[in-house]
Amino acid sequence: DGGITQSPKYLFRKEGQNVTLSCEQNLNHDAMYWYRQDPGQGLRLIYYSQIVNDFQKGDIAEGYSVSREKKESFPLTVTSAQKNPTAFYLCATSDRWSGNTIYFGEGSWLTVV
Amino acid sequence: AQRVTQPEKLLSVFKGAPVELKCNYSYSGSPELFWYVQYSRQRLQLLLRHISRESIKGFTADLNKGETSFHLKKPFAQEEDSAMYYCALSLGGGSEKLVFGKGTKLTVNP
Repeated sequence: DGGITQSPKYLFRKEGQNVTLSCEQNLNHDAMYWYRQDPGQGLRLIYYSQIVNDFQKGDIAEGYSVSREKKESFPLTVTSAQKNPTAFYLCATSDRWSGNTIYFGEGSWLTVV
Repeated sequence: AQRVTQPEKLLSVFKGAPVELKCNYSYSGSPELFWYVQYSRQRLQLLLRHISRESIKGFTADLNKGETSFHLKKPFAQEEDSAMYYCALSLGGGSEKLVFGKGTKLTVNP
């Protein structure tokens, strides 16, 4: 079941480098989200956007940045300011017409080496 | 503050036994509660939500506002139920943000 495409699936980064994770959706959903998933921590919200050209910080936004220039795209940049960037990152979308159900992408593994 | 608590990190049962995954929430408004499931090598997906009051794959969950709980239950567990389960709270009122619990890993043994 496509609809949300995250790339790359696996990414290695050297310390001090910024990296951008891509999230594209063809579901025509208004809202998009970035979550971080760590073992034993569940999912934590990084940023979310309910409409184009607008986004809000989530619970752990420090060291991350996003943009929402198009409805279909919500890229996440992990900056060098993020202290513990190694994690599994999940992009998600939702729409009020789908009962606010959140749909997830397959995720991207980021490892800092 | 809004919070979702899943007290069990790991839960192991035998096939055919009843299973209950616990979820408690903290929220002063009118919550919407969800259960999401992540099977091995698959993406996280919605299992059920309290407002639909339906049974999915034999699982049910009832919202108990008095006890602020939304426990997930199944009378007879199957091996294919083995997965990671997350309880989630939506703040409602048009907000689509979800607050997730830390998850419970369910293992159903043969």
